[in-house]
Amino acid sequence: DTGVSQDPRHKITKRGQNVTFRCDPISEHNRLYWYRQTLGQGPEFLTYFQNEAQLEKSRLLSDRFSAERPKGSFSTLEIQRTEQGDSAMYLCASSLFERNPQAFFGQGTRLTVV
Amino acid sequence: KQEVTQIPAALSVPEGENLVLNCSFTDSAIYNLQWFRQDPGKGLTSLLLIQSSQREQTSGRLNASLDKSSGRSTLYIAASQPGDSATYLCAPGEDRDDKIIFGKGTRLHILP
Repeated sequence: DTGVSQDPRHKITKRGQNVTFRCDPISEHNRLYWYRQTLGQGPEFLTYFQNEAQLEKSRLLSDRFSAERPKGSFSTLEIQRTEQGDSAMYLCASSLFERNPQAFFGQGTRLTVV
Repeated sequence: KQEVTQIPAALSVPEGENLVLNCSFTDSAIYNLQWFRQDPGKGLTSLLLIQSSQREQTSGRLNASLDKSSGRSTLYIAASQPGDSATYLCAPGEDRDDKIIFGKGTRLHILP
């Protein structure tokens, strides 16, 4: 297993465009988290899934953000009508929660909105 | 709402020194606490995980302690090396809803 994989690693988009990021967790991990991190700050919680069920969505997320994990495996995070304030690193993590809650992170997707 | 504070925000020390990074959290209802390392522009690497029933955990030159009732954890790094330079993040996992909440981190620079 190669760990948590995120795609793309970098994305530059024009303001107003939609973007979608993908996260492939470690195989058989049932818990999947999305975080956003800006320069000099710790990761901020966005949302998380237990299998395909979305457990919570942070109040930080506007209606422009949506996340899915349709088959309980990979997950996508979509941002509609991007704004410059959306520029950040988007991080995904997974864990096998009941047996070992240790979270493993991907390398992140860096989004730049111009 | 869980709030995590890490002190100091930044630290520069000569190679070879032992050092302590501090983490405090406001809600003691946690099931574990993890310490992560982050290199610039990279993702996070889990260093140590302490279960809420444990007092400390060790891995090589790293030792993390947890005082759940007082809402504190420390990460001790022995015999620091330039390769230890990175940001260190503390992240308690909440009992109530299992979320992992992060502090802002301590930026560590080890001087050769």
